[in-house]
Amino acid sequence: DTAVSQTPKYLVTQMGNDKSIKCEQNLGHDTMYWYKQDSKKFLKIMFSYNNKELIINETVPNRFSPKSPDKAHLNLHINSLELGDSAVYFCASSQDRANTIYFGEGSWLTVV
Amino acid sequence: DAKTTQPTSMDCAEGRAANLPCNHSTISGNEYVYWYRQIHSQGPQYIIHGLKNNETNEMASLIITEDRKSSTLILPHATLRDTAVYYCIVRGGATNKLIFGTGTLLAVQP
Repeated sequence: DTAVSQTPKYLVTQMGNDKSIKCEQNLGHDTMYWYKQDSKKFLKIMFSYNNKELIINETVPNRFSPKSPDKAHLNLHINSLELGDSAVYFCASSQDRANTIYFGEGSWLTVV
Repeated sequence: DAKTTQPTSMDCAEGRAANLPCNHSTISGNEYVYWYRQIHSQGPQYIIHGLKNNETNEMASLIITEDRKSSTLILPHATLRDTAVYYCIVRGGATNKLIFGTGTLLAVQP
């Protein structure tokens, strides 16, 4: 009954590959997010969707493409993976843009 | 772009209260103070938030100064499981972004 769940939890892949991380929330929230935490532990917002509409798009390479098939899901697709993409990616959700944000447990991506 | 200043690290004895300070001198009238923590290898966990009044929940208390330029998160009886990085975040404005700074590493000692 995890509120915000991400799959896979761990992913090791080679440079140049394309991979996806899936996120689902069962909280009935309207807004979902992707955050990235790099090796220096800085947590940075990447994207935010509200009712399936993109509302925040930070300076992220266009190799990263979020997709929201419905309000409960926000998947992150990454093309042509690079070594620098190695990080922990956190999905999160909130009732709306102004309410408390709840995070998933993270997906550890390692590009070799 | 973090609008808060926190000590890099703090220690606290198990069973004692942990008081984590945060400065947010440029906070605007409609911005909230949020606290999250991140235990090693886990996702950020929401603790508490407030606008100008002090707040308390089952996890912690939040004391905000009258001028709102600083606040203190209080864990009344720290346990070893409270060892984590604690983030104080000012949130509001048009986008309501949650922007994390470097936080305070709280080490609870036995």
